[in-house]
Amino acid sequence: DVKVTQSSRYLVKRTGEKVFLECVQDMDHENMFWYRQDPGLGLRLIYFSYDVKMKEKGDIPEGYSVSREKKERFSLILESASTNQTSMYLCASSPYRPQGGNTEAFFGQGTRLTVV
Amino acid sequence: QQQVKQSPQSLIVQKGGISIINCAYENTAFDYFPWYQQFPGKGPALLIAIRPDVSEKKEGRFTISFNKSAKQFSLHIMDSQPGDSATYFCAASSEYNFNKFYFGSGTKLNVKP
Repeated sequence: DVKVTQSSRYLVKRTGEKVFLECVQDMDHENMFWYRQDPGLGLRLIYFSYDVKMKEKGDIPEGYSVSREKKERFSLILESASTNQTSMYLCASSPYRPQGGNTEAFFGQGTRLTVV
Repeated sequence: QQQVKQSPQSLIVQKGGISIINCAYENTAFDYFPWYQQFPGKGPALLIAIRPDVSEKKEGRFTISFNKSAKQFSLHIMDSQPGDSATYFCAASSEYNFNKFYFGSGTKLNVKP
């Protein structure tokens, strides 16, 4: 079974702190994603990586950065946490989709971050 | 701006009834449309998916209907069961954009016994 593991289920951080959310996948997937889940807004893409050291901004990258130094690990960094970044953060990975083929995003269980 | 619009936000259905969730998109480059199911405390998991070259895909009690000209697709859950109570997300991706998945806003389904 594909496993995507997020380092923490729950985190409480103070405003202004630098926060690291870690994600590891064990299936050698090329693509990795960070989403933020908020009620009524669904899953919004923060950042995406399609290869080691490669990253693309998603729809809401402001206030976040990412790091992918190894294929299996994708880190989300909140440079200076703010209360409006209180949310559920979901990491996902997927294999490269061949032309005309299908793919699937595998999700971790999420990290519920509260910024106080 | 949300790339995939989903409705309704919440849905209550009696056991044995049909649950219908609708999604719409604008980007004609999207070529893969999955639906994800999420139970409380869990990450979303793939339920069923469709490509735009077919108008319908059925897996057990779950069916996706796809209307390419209208840029709409929907999930039908036949004979809905209390165990189907979850949040459902539609999504879309394009092989021309690194296969990034764009998700709808989610529908919270409650199936009453």
